[in-house]
Amino acid sequence: GENVEQHPSTLSVQEGDSAVIKCTYSDSAPNYFPWYKQELGKGPQLIIDIRSNVGEKKDQRIAVTLNKTAKHFSLHITETQPEDSAVYFCAASMDSNYQLIWGAGTKLIIKP
Amino acid sequence: EADIYQTPRYLVIGTGKKITLECSQTMGHDKMYWYQQDPGMELHLIHYSYGVNSTEKGDLSSESTVSRIRTEHFPLTLESARPSHTSQYLCASSEGAHTGELFFGEGSRLTVL
Repeated sequence: GENVEQHPSTLSVQEGDSAVIKCTYSDSAPNYFPWYKQELGKGPQLIIDIRSNVGEKKDQRIAVTLNKTAKHFSLHITETQPEDSAVYFCAASMDSNYQLIWGAGTKLIIKP
Repeated sequence: EADIYQTPRYLVIGTGKKITLECSQTMGHDKMYWYQQDPGMELHLIHYSYGVNSTEKGDLSSESTVSRIRTEHFPLTLESARPSHTSQYLCASSEGAHTGELFFGEGSRLTVL
């Protein structure tokens, strides 16, 4: 069935460096790829999303890229700051009802 | 700031008790969801609703039940709690199929002794 694999499960980077989280999907036709950030003790919150007709989208220090040929999409965070420490989830929407298939999450740790 | 609220935030109960986790949203969203999140982080959809009187089971089998009598309210009930039900339960809502964004509550952390 549909599956989204997310790597790495834990990522530790020095403050100011860049962080990249990658997800791959197995279904042939997802059309929506959101990224959510979950801070400790809170629910996930959408930080950026991309649709299948776009290859890249940027919002300040955050960017998402989509490679439909290779069936993967990635989250890029530049100039990381302590407040970027959180768990990040990728997801993909596999049907017209937009039921999301979630990745397993990446715990991002920003070292001071 | 999302207008979706969950109560209680934390609950510790004994085995066999009946519990109801409350979820309310003031955004007028038709779609609502319940996710179960284990300490290992993964999110598992256990119930969803596309509107009043509509409820469906999600990908993860759950002994809980839900109801959707009002648009803004989507409570989850466990008739007889067991230690295996210990988890975090997250409620979410979305405007509709073309928006995609889910708005999550802060979660209800349930511990069954």
